[in-house]
Amino acid sequence: SQTIHQWPATLVQPVGSPLSLECTVEGTSNPNLYWYRQAAGRGLQLLFYSVGIGQISSEVPQNLSASRPQDRQFILSSKKLLLSDSGFYLCAWTPDSYNEQFFGPGTRLTVL
Amino acid sequence: QKEVEQNSGPLSVPEGAIASLNCTYSDRGSQSFFWYRQYSGKSPELIMFIYSNGDKEDGRFTAQLNKASQYVSLLIRDSQPSDSATYLCAISSGSARQLTFGSGTQLTVLP
Repeated sequence: SQTIHQWPATLVQPVGSPLSLECTVEGTSNPNLYWYRQAAGRGLQLLFYSVGIGQISSEVPQNLSASRPQDRQFILSSKKLLLSDSGFYLCAWTPDSYNEQFFGPGTRLTVL
Repeated sequence: QKEVEQNSGPLSVPEGAIASLNCTYSDRGSQSFFWYRQYSGKSPELIMFIYSNGDKEDGRFTAQLNKASQYVSLLIRDSQPSDSATYLCAISSGSARQLTFGSGTQLTVLP
């Protein structure tokens, strides 16, 4: 069966510090991968998506970046965090040729 | 700009009643429609998806789609306190099947 992992589960970082969040999917190959952010009390905002290794599309300009170094690995990064980067970061995946999207457990980031 | 609109609620129903959640969308080209349930502090969980006009039933859940009216709804029959959560409507579009989400409707089922 397929599973999706995210780590860390929670993170508290000072303003200006770097960020690296990791997402991996097991039990599938060639998935579409997505990063979303959910600010407190808000809906989900799509940040990045990837249809294959090294292929990244950005939905919203910001100080975040994403990379997909392996088929089932998706990384979200920042060189310098802002207060506004606080939120619940969710990785999701879609099996190749399917529409249904499944979410990982998320990382709750607090920038102080 | 694709938009998905939901009543934010909160919506309260008594246990055993039918809860009705509604969603409208702006992109007439949208082909796939999803309902997610999100418990407080947790990630969204897919509960229903629908592609064709009409009704789709899965247990206590029924999704209804009307593409002409750009309207999708979720009915929860025999509501239980465990159904208390935020329900997110989403539409899929684009080559990568990206989702656009509404802001969610908070549902409370009162014992």
